[in-house]
Amino acid sequence: QVQLVQSGAEVKKPGASVKVSCKASGYTLSSYAIHWVRQAPGQRLEWMGWINPGNGDTKYSQKLQGRVTITRDTSASTVYMEVRSLRSEDTAVYYCSRFAVTLDFWGQGTLVTVSS
Amino acid sequence: EIVLTQSPGTLSLSPGERAALSCRASQSVCSTCLAWYQQKPGQAPRLLIYRTSSRPTGIPDRFSGSGSGTDFTLTISSLEPEDFAVYYCQQYGISPITFGGGTKVEIK
Repeated sequence: QVQLVQSGAEVKKPGASVKVSCKASGYTLSSYAIHWVRQAPGQRLEWMGWINPGNGDTKYSQKLQGRVTITRDTSASTVYMEVRSLRSEDTAVYYCSRFAVTLDFWGQGTLVTVSS
Repeated sequence: EIVLTQSPGTLSLSPGERAALSCRASQSVCSTCLAWYQQKPGQAPRLLIYRTSSRPTGIPDRFSGSGSGTDFTLTISSLEPEDFAVYYCQQYGISPITFGGGTKVEIK
């Protein structure tokens, strides 16, 4: 069965970077795009960007452009999402999700806390 | 970007009752580009409806979606205890993908 398993919770200081992984199983990673969505406390879901694991093409939200990078390692069936120059408002649960017809399967989420 | 506005913010109902959740878009959304998700505390969103009215395998038929243009509705025909959760609409036709603010369905 399709599964996306994310790395564990992180606590970072303002200005630091965080890199979250998303390991896919149950299907071929290169067959579907992987998107990243985050949810700050009490806020709506926010789309961050996506990657085509087949060729590495990426697209990011305008709000996060320049601070976010999504990469992949197809040999490990894993996608990575890095956020740099972290701010307190980046505190959120970060999700990876497979895009078939839409975002059909989701990872369990990774809590990233930014605090001094 | 397309802004999605969901109403009501909270719906207080009893098990067995019918729920109707609204999602209004700031501009027209293609009928194949609107989805609904259910989210419970501490869990990831779960896809309920895609392409406005299609259900993925395993989603009960008490969940149905309808609508077109800028107005969409998720209907739960008879609430089960496990249906009390937050529901989000999402459009994926025009980048960036956007989500509504959510409707919480709570036990009355």
